[in-house]
Amino acid sequence: GQQLNQSPQSMFIQEGEDVSMNCTSSSIFNTWLWYKQDPGEGPVLLIALYKAGELTSNGRLTAQFGITRKDSFLNISASIPSDVGIYFCAGRVAGGTSYGKLTFGQGTILTVHP
Amino acid sequence: GAVVSQHPSRVICKSGTSVKIECRSLDFQATTMFWYRQFPKQSLMLMATSNEGSKATYEQGVEKDKFLINHASLTLSTLTVTSAHPEDSSFYICSPLLAGGLDTQYFGPGTRLTVL
Repeated sequence: GQQLNQSPQSMFIQEGEDVSMNCTSSSIFNTWLWYKQDPGEGPVLLIALYKAGELTSNGRLTAQFGITRKDSFLNISASIPSDVGIYFCAGRVAGGTSYGKLTFGQGTILTVHP
Repeated sequence: GAVVSQHPSRVICKSGTSVKIECRSLDFQATTMFWYRQFPKQSLMLMATSNEGSKATYEQGVEKDKFLINHASLTLSTLTVTSAHPEDSSFYICSPLLAGGLDTQYFGPGTRLTVL
């Protein structure tokens, strides 16, 4: 089945630093989604990408849909303490029996030191 | 974003009992509902997909007789964990799919199940 490799697994950074994380897939996705999950809560959608090569920003967050449709990255600029959490990438195919199903990466645990 | 609620937010039960988890999409109609499970320090794993008025489709390795899914309306889906055991302790999260679109996919706040 489809697999997503997300890296790094964890990051420890100082407040104000920039952060970058990425996901690679063994197969093609039609949509890439990036979520943030706080402890004890459901994932919250940060950015959605729908076309190969697309670069989208949401405040200090920027994400790109890779040209090969097998990868995506998320950048966080000027990190702040509330950026702490687990970040997940998720890929989705458009049709067939997998309609709407998301495949998740393993997550990146982000710790921001004040 | 879309408003999705889950009830209860957390539940503790004895081994052998059944637990029902409700998921409601409060501001849109969901023709499809996905149920995910997340063990501590792990990612989300899809358990099953249900379409309103139809039987659910379960992922490989998920027992359909143990995890009963009902999707009787476009705004409500329930997951019942039958004869729960400690290994069923997990974080269960629903994700409704907006009818007619795939633009975004939101998640409920999750239900923490602890089986003693």
